[in-house]
Amino acid sequence: DIQMTQSPSSLSASVGDRVTITCRASQSSSIYLNWYRQKPGKAPELLIHSASTLQSGVPSRFSGSGSGTDFTLTITSLQPEDFATYYCQQSYTAPYTFGQGTKLEIK
Amino acid sequence: QLQLQESGPGLVKPSETLSLTCNVSGGSISSSSYYWGWIRQPPGKGLEWIGSIYYTGSTYYNPSLKSRVTTSIDTSKNQFSMKLSSVTAADTAVYYCARLNYYDNYPFDYWGQGTLVTVSS
Repeated sequence: DIQMTQSPSSLSASVGDRVTITCRASQSSSIYLNWYRQKPGKAPELLIHSASTLQSGVPSRFSGSGSGTDFTLTITSLQPEDFATYYCQQSYTAPYTFGQGTKLEIK
Repeated sequence: QLQLQESGPGLVKPSETLSLTCNVSGGSISSSSYYWGWIRQPPGKGLEWIGSIYYTGSTYYNPSLKSRVTTSIDTSKNQFSMKLSSVTAADTAVYYCARLNYYDNYPFDYWGQGTLVTVSS
C-alpha cells in the first residue's frame, strides 16, 4: 500500500492568511493525487485532482502542485469556511489511501 | 446535479452483517466514465477506502477488508450496495458512497452525505 503522510497535522492561521499543507507518498503516485476539504459533520469535498487541477466550482485561492512523492496544497487569502480538515489521497493504485488529515484552525 | 444518498440501518449487532445502499440521482450509474465506491470514517478519525464497483459489476476492494466485503450494482434502480460481514465495534463509522471519475485520474468527485453505522449489542 502507498502510505500518505501529511504535515503539519494541525495548523493555526487567521482570515486572509496564506497557508501550505504538504503531503508525502511512500512511493511514487505520479500525479494521481487529490485534495479534499472536510467541514465538521459534512462529507469531504474535492478541491484539487491530478495534483494541480482545480475542480470545477472551487475558488481559485486553492492551488496544488507536485508529482511523484511530494505534493503541496496552498490556500491564499483564507476565508472563514476554509477552517476545516484537509486530506490528500492517492488514486494511482488500489488500495486508494488518504493522508491522516490536517486540521486548520482559526488563530 | 448529481446526488448520492446512503441508506441502511444505523445500528448493527456484533458478528452480524452491515448492509448499505447508495441511491444515485441526477445521472446514470451506467456511464462508462465512472466507478462507484465506498469510504468510511470512524468517529474522530481519518478516511478509509473500502471498495469500488463498475457498472459492469467488476469490483475491487481494500485488502484489509476484502474477506468481509461485497458490493453489487443495480443499474435498473440506479443504485449500488455494500455488505460488510462479521462486524465488530471497530467497524463503527460514518460510511460514505462516492463517485470515482475515470477521466480525471480517479478522484472521488461526488459524495453522499454519509450515514453513521454503530456496531453495538
